[in-house]
Amino acid sequence: AQSVSQHNHHVILSEAASLELGCNYSYGGTVNLFWYVQYPGQHLQLLLKYFSGDPLVKGIKGFEAEFIKSKFSFNLRKPSVQWSDTAEYFCAVKGNNAGNMLTFGGGTRLMVKP
Amino acid sequence: DGGITQSPKYLFRKEGQNVTLSCEQNLNHDAMYWYRQDPGQGLRLIYYSQIVNDFQKGDIAEGYSVSREKKESFPLTVTSAQKNPTAFYLCASSIGREGADTQYFGPGTRLTVL
Repeated sequence: AQSVSQHNHHVILSEAASLELGCNYSYGGTVNLFWYVQYPGQHLQLLLKYFSGDPLVKGIKGFEAEFIKSKFSFNLRKPSVQWSDTAEYFCAVKGNNAGNMLTFGGGTRLMVKP
Repeated sequence: DGGITQSPKYLFRKEGQNVTLSCEQNLNHDAMYWYRQDPGQGLRLIYYSQIVNDFQKGDIAEGYSVSREKKESFPLTVTSAQKNPTAFYLCASSIGREGADTQYFGPGTRLTVL
């Protein structure tokens, strides 16, 4: 069975600080990886995704993530956060024999202080 | 305006009562999903349906039931057998039954059992 770990449950940063949120998964085969974001009062929405090719994936709002296969990781990064990045972030993985079933991590709640 | 709608936004239920949460999509997606979101646990899959008149149990199906009589609708019933039903429920849909497509989420229903 596949599983996803997000080790940082709560992160507090000041504006302009750099962000890195950890995501590790356990699955032995080919994976598709996702980061979703849930802004306060809004729908869960896709931030970025990795299917194949370049392991460095760029998403919306200046976010990027790097797939490191040897480390089973897909960490989310942003060089300079803004107050509007305050949200909960979820990493998700789909194994190649899991149909369209996503397994989510527990989420990381980010608060950016103005 | 295409998307996924869930109703109601807030729902209160007395113990021992069944309650049905609505999910409708006009994206012409084949697959639909129900997740439960609890603080610190991310999203956990309750049921999913890859095609009309077919659905499968997810990781935490006990105490829930679904139907998929129409492509655009996937209602979830929380039965009295569900021991801890208070949670935030999210519905999602995706294009195809296989492949690495993206899931799109509705706004959610917050269920509180009194």
